[in-house]
Amino acid sequence: DGGITQSPKYLFRKEGQNVTLSCEQNLNHDAMYWYRQDPGQGLRLIYYSQIVNDFQKGDIAEGYSVSREKKESFPLTVTSAQKNPTAFYLCASRTSGSGNTQYFGPGTRLTVL
Amino acid sequence: AQSVTQLGSHVSVSEGALVLLRCNYSSSVPPYLFWYVQYPNQGLQLLLKYTSAATLVKGINGFEAEFKKSETSFHLTKPSAHMSDAAEYFCAVSDSGGSNYKLTFGKGTLLTVNP
Repeated sequence: DGGITQSPKYLFRKEGQNVTLSCEQNLNHDAMYWYRQDPGQGLRLIYYSQIVNDFQKGDIAEGYSVSREKKESFPLTVTSAQKNPTAFYLCASRTSGSGNTQYFGPGTRLTVL
Repeated sequence: AQSVTQLGSHVSVSEGALVLLRCNYSSSVPPYLFWYVQYPNQGLQLLLKYTSAATLVKGINGFEAEFKKSETSFHLTKPSAHMSDAAEYFCAVSDSGGSNYKLTFGKGTLLTVNP
């Protein structure tokens, strides 16, 4: 059963702690993306990767880091430098044909206490 | 730079009524356009997409959208609303000629369906 998985669904952390969000896909897509969603703000791009061992900053990369060591995996670390980390985080991967469509995972809701 | 404007952050319709969600875009190159739906605490699900083929695009769940270049619009419609259509809807634009195909999203429209 192909798709994108994100874990955990809900995550709670204390202020000042780094936390890593998991994103895995078995769709054989080359490109992967991380978005942040806040109420009334739509989705904003954090980082994206078009190929293994390469990634680029999106519009709101400050306070976040990523790695892309495997095609299937694109973990996101929310560091203590991120001033307002509480949000809903969505991972996506993109087909290489047919309009280059992005498909999304179920999301992780991070709450920093 | 690309941008998307969704007119109306909240739209309320009666069950069985026409659904119209508005999306206007700005792009310096021919765009790819998408509509996604999001149910509470879930990811985004693709409804339909325009990729320079037919200007009237049919999607899942009875939704359709028409690309109008002269109006830079890509409005989403459904003839008869169902209770299960209640969700948040996002319009997005992508650069068709670029190499990274980043999506720029509108801020979303919350659709409420009244019985």
